[in-house]
Amino acid sequence: AQTVTQSQPEMSVQEAETVTLSCTYDTSESDYYLFWYKQPPSRQMILVIRQEAYKQQNATENRFSVNFQKAAKSFSLKISDSQLGDAAMYFCAYRSSNFGNEKLTFGTGTRLTIIP
Amino acid sequence: NAGVTQTPKFRILKIGQSMTLQCTQDMNHNYMYWYRQDPGMGLKLIYYSVGAGITDKGEVPNGYNVSRSTTEDFPLRLELAAPSQTSVYFCASRTTGGRNQPQHFGDGTRLSIL
Repeated sequence: AQTVTQSQPEMSVQEAETVTLSCTYDTSESDYYLFWYKQPPSRQMILVIRQEAYKQQNATENRFSVNFQKAAKSFSLKISDSQLGDAAMYFCAYRSSNFGNEKLTFGTGTRLTIIP
Repeated sequence: NAGVTQTPKFRILKIGQSMTLQCTQDMNHNYMYWYRQDPGMGLKLIYYSVGAGITDKGEVPNGYNVSRSTTEDFPLRLELAAPSQTSVYFCASRTTGGRNQPQHFGDGTRLSIL
């Protein structure tokens, strides 16, 4: 079974600075998908960024980028130029590429605080 | 475009009561999901559906039932509420086009069983 580990329960960063959130996962599969979701106090889960395991190039979305290290099974999220609106819980998630496996496995989350 | 809509947003139940959490989506997504999120934890999959008339168990299905009579709606039923079912429940959906497609989530229902 796949597991996702986020070892940083809480992180804080000064506004406009850069912060990196860690995520590691365990799987025996070679093809899969990884996601970062943001959950602000409003509770809604919002997709931040996604990465296909077969792609070597790290995904980027504006100020958000990932460092995907497949051999190390690591998938960290880098937030550049942090803004107050980035304050939220961030969840790393894994999904198998196998047809019929619809399970999205989440980590326990990292609470990010932005310091003005 | 409303996306995924969940009702109610909050509910308090007594032990043994029953209720249905409603979920509807207007994106014509075939795949729909129900998750629960316990305090300090990530989401866990309860049930999912790959289309109208087709449902399957997820990771934590005990104590719940679902049905999918239309593409838009995917209600979650609690028959005999227990304190262990106190949680925040999220409904999600995704399009069929490619397994890398992300799930779109509703705002959640906070349920307390007392």
